Amino acid sequence: DAGVIQSPRHEVTEMGQEVTLRCKPISGHDYLFWYRQTMMRGLELLIYFNNNVPIDDSGMPEDRFSAKMPNASFSTLKIQPSEPRDSAVYFCASSLQVTDTQYFGPGTRLTVL
Amino acid sequence: GQQVMQIPQYQHVQEGEDFTTYCNSSTTLSNIQWYKQRPGGHPVFLIQLVKSGEVKKQKRLTFQFGEAKKNSSLHITATQTTDVGTYFCAARTFSGSARQLTFGSGTQLTVLP
Repeated sequence: DAGVIQSPRHEVTEMGQEVTLRCKPISGHDYLFWYRQTMMRGLELLIYFNNNVPIDDSGMPEDRFSAKMPNASFSTLKIQPSEPRDSAVYFCASSLQVTDTQYFGPGTRLTVL
Repeated sequence: GQQVMQIPQYQHVQEGEDFTTYCNSSTTLSNIQWYKQRPGGHPVFLIQLVKSGEVKKQKRLTFQFGEAKKNSSLHITATQTTDVGTYFCAARTFSGSARQLTFGSGTQLTVLP
């Protein structure tokens, strides 16, 4: 299995631009999670999906952030407009059940100038 | 909300010395997971503890879950340079929601050769 796939691995953009991060979970995993990691705040859960349906988005920082999962093999996290404080590493993870081990993707390192 | 305290934040050891990181919760936990993140990498699952007082070993790593299920520890015997990285605990409460999988702030381990 290829594991969780994320793209791009690195993204540098200017403040105000739209950013879209992509994730392909492990095949057969029903749960998909988006995390953000920064030095100041550590690893934070932003949102998670079960069978493509968003279950809990209370970790999404503000309306500039949105996430979708149009099918079982693809999810996006969009930031519009981006701000410098959004600079972080964004991880996608998936699991079979909500209580199971979460398998993390390699992450997208986002830099907003 | 649930608080998960992890100490120490940083630890420098000489190769061959032992290392321990501690995770403490303000509430009783359903289970606790441990992850390792290498520099520049993504969190990788190590183990899950479920039972009160549980002790599990993986080669030089020993994981413990407290009797009250409010604390846990990871101990590495005779550290090696390959142990370098940040070790996170991830605690889950009895609510069962993935939202309640709270990551500790991590302990960054440096092993000096």
